[in-house]
Order: sequence, then C-alpha cells, then structure tokens
Amino acid sequence: SQQGEEDPQALSIQEGENATMNCSYKTSINNLQWYRQNSGRGLVHLILIRSNEREKHSGRLRVTLDTSKKSSSLLITASRAADTASYFCATVSYYGNNRLAFGKGNQVVVIP
Amino acid sequence: NAGVTQTPKFQVLKTGQSMTLQCAQDMNHEYMSWYRQDPGMGLRLIHYSVGAGITDQGEVPNGYNVSRSTTEDFPLRLLSAAPSQTSVYFCASSYNGLTDTQYFGPGTRLTVL
Repeated sequence: SQQGEEDPQALSIQEGENATMNCSYKTSINNLQWYRQNSGRGLVHLILIRSNEREKHSGRLRVTLDTSKKSSSLLITASRAADTASYFCATVSYYGNNRLAFGKGNQVVVIP
Repeated sequence: NAGVTQTPKFQVLKTGQSMTLQCAQDMNHEYMSWYRQDPGMGLRLIHYSVGAGITDQGEVPNGYNVSRSTTEDFPLRLLSAAPSQTSVYFCASSYNGLTDTQYFGPGTRLTVL
C-alpha cells in the first residue's frame, strides 16, 4: 500500500532540543500531511505540503519534502513537554484512489 | 464552534450486539469519514461521504453501515459486533475533500467482548 512509514518510530528528547522525524513512501504523491495525536485524543492537522513544494513552516514546525527520495521530514524546534505526542504522516498517492493513507505513527516523548 | 464531536467516548459491547457511533460537525463540511485506529496499524478508512445522501466504502467497510441524511451528522452502525471490531474509531470532516486537511473528532474507544 502507499501508506507512509515514519522513522524513528520512537524518540525521546530533552525539553529545548530539536526533534526530527522522517516519513518515506513508495509511489508519487499529490500531497503529504503531518498530524499530531496527544494521548487519548483525536488527530490534529499540522501541515500539508504539496508535491511541487519543498519546504513549509508553521510556528516551530518545519516540514521538508524530497520527491526524488520519496521522503519527508518534520522538525520541531525548541521542543516543549506539550509536544509529547504521536506524529503521523499521511500521503495522497498521485495514481491512487483519492484517499489519505496514514503511516503507523511516531511516538515522541519530550522530557521536562 | 464545537468542531467534530463524537459520542460515546467509551463503549463495551458483547459479541453480536449492535450499536451506533454518533458523529456531528458544525463546520458545514461536505466531506465526512470514519476511520479505525488499531495498535501498530495507523488509521484505516471505513466509510466516507461526499455530501448528504451520498456514501461510499473505504478500505475496511465490512461489518459497518453508514448513512448521511444531513450535512452535520454521519453515524456509523455496527450491525453485529465482533471482537475484531475492538478499536478506537475516529470521525473526520473536511471542507475540500478526502485528500485535504481533515478535522478529527476525539474518538470512541470500543471494546467487544
């Protein structure tokens, strides 16, 4: 399937450090989205990046997209304890069925 | 705006029982969908709707029914619950379609014994 695969699957960092996680996918995409899920809550949309874009920023978040490597990265700068969550990438395949395919998620723990 | 709301938050069923998971949104979104989230598997699409009166199957539709009589509501029915349907269920809505930004509800945690 087209679903993205996040890496690393679990990450533990100190508050104030930067956190970087990656998402790889298999086929060409229309867009790629990152979502955050706090424990016991629903997913919250963070950033959508289209296939013709290379980088997007939102506050302390920076997303890059490398279509030649079929990968994306999410950088959280100056992490806070409140950033502790699971982070999911979701892709829309260029050839696919017009749906979002979610990865399995990436657990980030920020230690105060 | 309340956004996307779901009830109940938790539910325990016995095998064979039926129930309806409720979902409502107040953002006037045409697109609504149901996902299930299982450990280590990401979210999988169950059913979706592109507007009132129009529904279609997603990736894992078996054992579930949906209807969309109004723009606001999109209930998910479990016809005869099975232990394999133990999961966390999320409803989502979107203004621009299934492939654009999704707004998720808080989820319903369902256990089938």
